[in-house]
Amino acid sequence: GDSVTQMEGPVTLSEEAFLTINCTYTATGYPSLFWYVQYPGEGLQLLLKATKADDKGSNKGFEATYRKETTSFHLEKGSVQVSDSAVYFCALSDDYGQNFVFGPGTRLSVLP
Amino acid sequence: DVKVTQSSRYLVKRTGEKVFLECVQDMDHENMFWYRQDPGLGLRLIYFSYDVKMKEKGDIPEGYSVSREKKERFSLILESASTNQTSMYLCASSIPNRSSTDTQYFGPGTRLTVL
Repeated sequence: GDSVTQMEGPVTLSEEAFLTINCTYTATGYPSLFWYVQYPGEGLQLLLKATKADDKGSNKGFEATYRKETTSFHLEKGSVQVSDSAVYFCALSDDYGQNFVFGPGTRLSVLP
Repeated sequence: DVKVTQSSRYLVKRTGEKVFLECVQDMDHENMFWYRQDPGLGLRLIYFSYDVKMKEKGDIPEGYSVSREKKERFSLILESASTNQTSMYLCASSIPNRSSTDTQYFGPGTRLTVL
C-alpha cells in the first residue's frame, strides 16, 4: 500500500538557520502531496501542497517541490524562527481524496 | 474558512465506560475521518465516512465504532473504554475529488485519558 517516510527528528536549530525535512513516498497512481504543521496543543493545519509532478508548494517562507523521479517532497525554509517550532507531517492522498497517508511527523525546535 | 470542531478538548473516562467523541464541520464536505495520534506512531486512521450513513474501516478500527446520521456530524464511539485507548483523537473532513480543494481540514483534537 501507499506509504510516507520522513526523518523523525527531533530537529533542533538556531534561529535563522536553514531547514530541510526529508520526505519520500511510495504510491500507485498520481497522489497529491502535503505538508501539515501541528503547533503545541492544536490540531493539524495545512502548510502547503502540490498536486502534480514538478509543482512547488509554498507558504510562510516554507516550500517543497513534488519530485516524481525521486518520489520526494522535501520541506525547506531559508531562515527559521522560534515560532516555527512545531511538529511537521508529510502526507499524500490518492486520486479520490479518500485515502490519506501520513508520515510519523518531525518535531522541530528552534532556539533563539 | 473551513471550520471543524470537536466536542471536547480534554476528556477523562473510566475503564469500561461508553465514550462519545463528536465532530462537526461547516463546509458541506462529503468525507470525514477519525484518527488517533500517539507519540512515535504518527496519525493512524480509525474510520472514515464518504457519505451519510456510510463508513469504512481504517487501519485500527478494533474497539471503535462510528455514526454518520447527518452530513456535518461524524461521531466516534468507544463501546467500552480501555486504558490503551488513551490518546489524542483528531477529526478531519475533505471533499472527494482532485480539485484544488482536496485538502483535509482538521479539528483541534480531543485528548482522551482512560483511567
